[in-house]
Amino acid sequence: TQLLEQSPQFLSIQEGENLTVYCNSSSVFSSLQWYRQEPGEGPVLLVTVVTGGEVKKLKRLTFQFGDARKDSSLHITAAQPGDTGLYLCAGAATDSWGKLQFGAGTQVVVTP
Amino acid sequence: DAGITQSPRHKVTETGTPVTLRCHQTENHRYMYWYRQDPGHGLRLIHYSYGVKDTDKGEVSDGYSVSRSKTEDFLLTLESATSSQTSVYFCAIVQVPNTEAFFGQGTRLTVV
Repeated sequence: TQLLEQSPQFLSIQEGENLTVYCNSSSVFSSLQWYRQEPGEGPVLLVTVVTGGEVKKLKRLTFQFGDARKDSSLHITAAQPGDTGLYLCAGAATDSWGKLQFGAGTQVVVTP
Repeated sequence: DAGITQSPRHKVTETGTPVTLRCHQTENHRYMYWYRQDPGHGLRLIHYSYGVKDTDKGEVSDGYSVSRSKTEDFLLTLESATSSQTSVYFCAIVQVPNTEAFFGQGTRLTVV
């Protein structure tokens, strides 16, 4: 059982549509990160959320941290083919700082 | 660019042989991590280090050992490789306090 559960596992949408990816846990996190990974490369950090209820925007991407700091979401508005990739959430639970763990990832495919 | 280099980038080895993967960083980061990535599992933590000669186990540490005799190098050893250790291995440096990870390019290991 993974500490961080991501859903859905796979998402295929048309260009211009919106999508949301979820990251849930029963543990509390002092911070959560979102990464995007392209084939053959390592994950690249997109954003870190720290405060419960926090919302951060990165162009068309909106990230939210749950009030209880146990979950997070990533919303993409008007998706483009360049948004295609594997999206991963990650964090270290407050009771096991140092053990930075990742969700299984959500594969997003945006077709023109 | 976090100055992280993994070597080798690709390796094919036989079952039962020892294998050592190297992670080298140039920016004096204290925290270094080893992950493996397999389809459907995302990134799973093998071992991590919080300083020279200070290491701890992750969620999938069985069959792996690590060493960190210098700040810049973190070595991952498979004492006797098995087919189940065929995977892509990623090294990361992690910046505190928000555990933000920056990854190397990965090592694709195949055990035949």
